[in-house]
Amino acid sequence: AQSVTQPDIHITVSEGASLELRCNYSYGATPYLFWYVQSPGQGLQLLLKYFSGDTLVQGIKGFEAEFKRSQSSFNLRKPSVHWSDAAEYFCAVGASNDYKLSFGAGTTVTVRA
Amino acid sequence: ETGVTQTPRHLVMGMTNKKSLKCEQHLGHNAMYWYKQSAKKPLELMFVYNFKEQTENNSVPSRFSPECPNSSHLFLHLHTLQPEDSALYLCASSQSAQGETQYFGPGTRLLVL
Repeated sequence: AQSVTQPDIHITVSEGASLELRCNYSYGATPYLFWYVQSPGQGLQLLLKYFSGDTLVQGIKGFEAEFKRSQSSFNLRKPSVHWSDAAEYFCAVGASNDYKLSFGAGTTVTVRA
Repeated sequence: ETGVTQTPRHLVMGMTNKKSLKCEQHLGHNAMYWYKQSAKKPLELMFVYNFKEQTENNSVPSRFSPECPNSSHLFLHLHTLQPEDSALYLCASSQSAQGETQYFGPGTRLLVL
């Protein structure tokens, strides 16, 4: 069965600083990987996804993520954080032959001025 | 409207009430999902419909009853709920129910008194 671990429950970062959110997955085959963001009171918005090909994936809002098979990781990064990036971020893993997505517990990002 | 919409956005109900949550997707997708999001817990998949057929019932109590009259609409009928059912209920859709990106609605915040 697939599973996702987001080791950091909460991260605080200064505006303008860089951000990296960690995601580790467990899956026997090549995974489909996703990052979603959830602002307070809102649903989940897709930031980016990896299905195959280039292991560095660009997403919306200036985010990128890198798939590292050897480390079973799919970490999310942003070079310079804006106050509007304060939200909860979820990593998810799926498969090409299945509809099920397994979500991590999420990482809450706080941005300080 | 575009994307995935959900109504109502907020709902307060007593344990003896009957209510329904509605989800509509405007993306031309064929698969729809209900998720439950409780505080500090990963998203829990509840139901999956693919081409109007239910393909997943993730051991959900019978007090939750889904209905999918067509590929664009999904309902969740609620009756005799418990306080522990209070949560954010998220609807999602995807092109098909295999390895596709899921797009989420804003959710219905449910409070059971």
